[in-house]
Amino acid sequence: DIQMTQSPSSLSASVGDRVTITCRASQSISSSLNWYQQKPGKAPKLLIYAASSLQSGVPSRFSGSGSETDFTLAISSLQPEDFASYFCQQTYLTPRTFGQGTKLEIK
Amino acid sequence: EVQLVESGGGLVQPGGSLRLSCSGSGLSFSTYGIHWVRQAPGKGLEYVSAISDNGESTHYADSVKGRFTISRDNSKNTLFLLMSSLRVEDTAVYYCVKDGGYSYGYGYDYWGQGTLVTVSS
Repeated sequence: DIQMTQSPSSLSASVGDRVTITCRASQSISSSLNWYQQKPGKAPKLLIYAASSLQSGVPSRFSGSGSETDFTLAISSLQPEDFASYFCQQTYLTPRTFGQGTKLEIK
Repeated sequence: EVQLVESGGGLVQPGGSLRLSCSGSGLSFSTYGIHWVRQAPGKGLEYVSAISDNGESTHYADSVKGRFTISRDNSKNTLFLLMSSLRVEDTAVYYCVKDGGYSYGYGYDYWGQGTLVTVSS
């Protein structure tokens, strides 16, 4: 199975900050990388697919980049509703493995 | 509006069985692969199983292979997960998720609300 490693595991930031979360795959996955946001008690929501494509309805302050093994999710100016957990997922091979998650907290 | 609604979760003893259901609406159910993803309390997301649009192809995570069986009834827009020989470590919220296919990088573009399975004596 392809292992996905996210960093950091947790992150404290303030409203208005720019933050980045990274995800590294154990082997090349081309651009087969998705990002999800999950708020407490809710199902995850697809934010970014195919490494850099913004899902419909997702604010443009979210962006994704990277290819092969290294990927980044960036949030350009944090809003109060962005404090949540974020997960990456590779869809290059089945099983479609997830990273362990990054919890973004208010500083 | 696309909706996936899971049911069937609950408390079961180790070694027991449970069948989860997922009812889909607002989509052409038989056109899409549907997966199960679980999340243990306070933990991350784990792929469990997948079934193709016509039900002919299935896949399982190693952690559930031989114990779980995925199936679907497209005439009733319903997905199932039969779980047997349940273990304490199977305790989790189980989500039914729609495969977005090529158009969405094979990401999961719709999720159910989840159903909690607790395996405990």
